[in-house]
Amino acid sequence: KAGVTQTPRYLIKTRGQQVTLSCSPISGHRSVSWYQQTPGQGLQFLFEYFSETQRNKGNFPGRFSGRQFSNSRSEMNVSTLELGDSALYLCASSPRLVEGYEQYFGPGTRLTVT
Amino acid sequence: LAKTTQPISMDSYEGQEVNITCSHNNIATNDYITWYQQFPSQGPRFIIQGYKTKVTNEVASLFIPADRKSSTLSLPRVSLSDTAVYYCLVRYNTDKLIFGTGTRLQVFP
Repeated sequence: KAGVTQTPRYLIKTRGQQVTLSCSPISGHRSVSWYQQTPGQGLQFLFEYFSETQRNKGNFPGRFSGRQFSNSRSEMNVSTLELGDSALYLCASSPRLVEGYEQYFGPGTRLTVT
Repeated sequence: LAKTTQPISMDSYEGQEVNITCSHNNIATNDYITWYQQFPSQGPRFIIQGYKTKVTNEVASLFIPADRKSSTLSLPRVSLSDTAVYYCLVRYNTDKLIFGTGTRLQVFP
């Protein structure tokens, strides 16, 4: 069974631009969560989606948004990029909501904002 | 304020048992505590999960005291390949998912 895939793997953007990251979960998994990882802040929760509905959201500004499609694939969007948005963005999938179920992480998308 | 803290780093030798503690205030009674392992340039990998007392699988044990204000990941007989960063993950008030600060484990031969 194929693992979680994220595209693109690397991305360089300029301040003020917007970016869309994509995540394809493991087949059959209906839950997708997104995390931001930086050296200073560590791993931080962004969103959790289940069956196309956002179930939970972390403490990030409204510039960060996401969605999940009917095939469980998910995208996250960051508008008006800031230098501080440079990070590794990780997507994880789970058969059901995170609670009580193992999450499988993708390799991440490394975003650099210049 | 939800806070999940871990020791920054730990050193061990091959064959020893390693215990890594995660402190988490105010997690709900039925919320799970999950531990992940992360190698450089990779996403975290699931190790073990539980919500009370003790859970054991083929690679680790998880100890959770009755007050649930902390949890301890126990790695028996570590090897060089266990050198990685270890994170706990908890959910506060069935809402926010909070990762611990991470513990960098270095195993020496």
